[in-house]
Formats: sequence, C-alpha cells, structure tokens
Amino acid sequence: EAEVAQSPRYKITEKSQAVAFWCDPISGHATLYWYRQILGQGPELLVQFQDESVVDDSQLPKDRFSAERLKGVDSTLKIQPAELGDSAMYLCASSWGEAKFYSNQPQHFGDGTRLSIL
Amino acid sequence: AQKITQTQPGMFVQEKEAVTLDCTYDTSDPSYGLFWYKQPSSGEMIFLIYQGSYDQQNATEGRYSLNFQKARKSANLVISASQLGDSAMYFCAMGTGANSKLTFGKGITLSVRP
Repeated sequence: EAEVAQSPRYKITEKSQAVAFWCDPISGHATLYWYRQILGQGPELLVQFQDESVVDDSQLPKDRFSAERLKGVDSTLKIQPAELGDSAMYLCASSWGEAKFYSNQPQHFGDGTRLSIL
Repeated sequence: AQKITQTQPGMFVQEKEAVTLDCTYDTSDPSYGLFWYKQPSSGEMIFLIYQGSYDQQNATEGRYSLNFQKARKSANLVISASQLGDSAMYFCAMGTGANSKLTFGKGITLSVRP
C-alpha cells in the first residue's frame, strides 16, 4: 500500500454533482501535487502546494475545480459541478524539498482515485 | 517548455530476458532530472530510477538501469531478467531547474510472457 494516503479509491457520480478527493502526504513532505491522468495518458499537473501555499495552479480549471491545504499537511481537491470529461484517475503525490526548485528526490504517489462521471 | 516523448505503443518480452523502453526529452534548461515510474493496473505510480543531467555515470537500481545519452537527449530504461510482475505501464518523466513538478510522457505498456 502506498505511503501517500488517498480516498476514496473509487468514485462514481452523476454530472453536475459535487465531488471531493482527500490526500494525506508522507509525514514531513512540504510539497504536495495533484495530478490528473486520463486513461492511456501520462499524469498532468493540476495544482502544486508548498506547505499551505499554492505554487502552481495554471492548469487547474478554476471555474469548477478548487484545492486547499489549510494546515500544510493533508489536502482536498474538489470539483463542482462535475462534467463527463472529468472522468479520470486523480493522483496525489508528495516530495521533500521546495516546490520552486527541481530536486533529485522522487515524488511519492498515492494509489489514486478513479472518478467516473455518468 | 519541457517535453517527454515515448513512442513505443506496447512492448512484449519473454520472461528472464532484458528489455529496453525508450524515452526522449526536450528542454532548454541545463539542470534537469529524469525519472522512470512503473504503474501496475492497480494505479499506484512506483518510482524506479533517477538520472540527473550532470551525473557522469548511468544510474542503476537493481534490475533497472538507465541508458543516458545526453547529446541525443534520450534516457532509455533497461530492465534485465524480466519477471511476470514487471507487466505494467512505464512512464518517463522530467523535472527541470525552475520547478519541482514533473512532466510525464504518454507511457509504454510492457507485457512479460511466461
């Protein structure tokens, strides 16, 4: 089982509904990432946190997606309202070091949440 | 902008044989790192191996080695003595000096035959 905890593991919901994902990174990891992975593709970054601050959310569809990491530990990603095109795997990752600098430390990923929108 | 290219649609290898998974990259940043991840059908991304742009030697981790050719901008993963459990998607990813986020390729499916 992954050291980065994510829940739920699977989520099925209807379009226009709200959905939320939770992530608890490895203890002590300051940087947290949310990626979206469409079936058959590689993950793409949605949002990146350094402690409680957003470092990069340039690819986050802000009209419907929001993310927070209030105490700089666990994080929540929300979609409101969900659309059919949001069906994907949502992966959370964490790493040592600062978000603004490339590091040789690998990112550690959770098991992901598979989202299906009906 | 950074770019990772993985063009092999799918690879098959016989158990106990070696296999090479290709990855080419593009960046204008002189400081960068290349990572390989394995993703089984369960979904978790498992870190395998890392190569830094200034590393003089090719990285090795157990059965995994990275054939790093900087002038060609390639970072191919070599898996020796393939096992049935190696069947998975394999992703090449890059991080550069400006940010710790990773840019991933589209991945390669590896199937190990008994």
